[in-house]
Amino acid sequence: NAGVMQNPRHLVRRRGQEARLRCSPMKGHSHVYWYRQLPEEGLKFMVYLQKENIIDESGMPKERFSAEFPKEGPSILRIQQVVRGDSAAYFCASSPGTPNYGYTFGSGTRLTVV
Amino acid sequence: GENVEQHPSTLSVQEGDSAVIKCTYSDSASNYFPWYKQELGKRPQLIIDIRSNVGEKKDQRIAVTLNKTAKHFSLHITETQPEDSAVYFCAARGGNTGFQKLVFGTGTRLLVSP
Repeated sequence: NAGVMQNPRHLVRRRGQEARLRCSPMKGHSHVYWYRQLPEEGLKFMVYLQKENIIDESGMPKERFSAEFPKEGPSILRIQQVVRGDSAAYFCASSPGTPNYGYTFGSGTRLTVV
Repeated sequence: GENVEQHPSTLSVQEGDSAVIKCTYSDSASNYFPWYKQELGKRPQLIIDIRSNVGEKKDQRIAVTLNKTAKHFSLHITETQPEDSAVYFCAARGGNTGFQKLVFGTGTRLLVSP
């Protein structure tokens, strides 16, 4: 069981470029969650997706950020026109979606905007 | 929506002492309460969880208690060791459908001194 796979582990982007973060959930997990963690801070919810559906995007900024979880392939978190404030660790987690079940987190993508 | 508060933000103990971290939640419908441990630069990992039909759960040196009436739950670590040093996050999830995200507390940095 490979667990939750995120790539890349580290990503450096210049201001104004696009960042694409990928997440493949654990086998058998159909629910994916993205969280952002700033240095020395907690886990801030961004978006919750099922295959081909966004369930809850209440934590995602309305501009420049988007997420998808297509029928085939990994979930993608996309940040357009990155700014320095986007620098953070982005964690993906997955679950089978049944009540009373915790998440399994991936190793995260550390985005640095220069 | 759910709101989770966590205290203290930092906790320093001597090796062998006990450590207690407390969380409160706002949504009386919340029914699942996991705890995660995050070591520096690594992913959050589930260490123990409790469901609303249980008041206490133990796993070796760690235990979690839940008081539904007061809407608070606590993590207890006994006989602390230096390798317990990490950031600990509590979380809560409400509803019965599974279509609810985990809401995390702000974290407690635990430092265990030899």
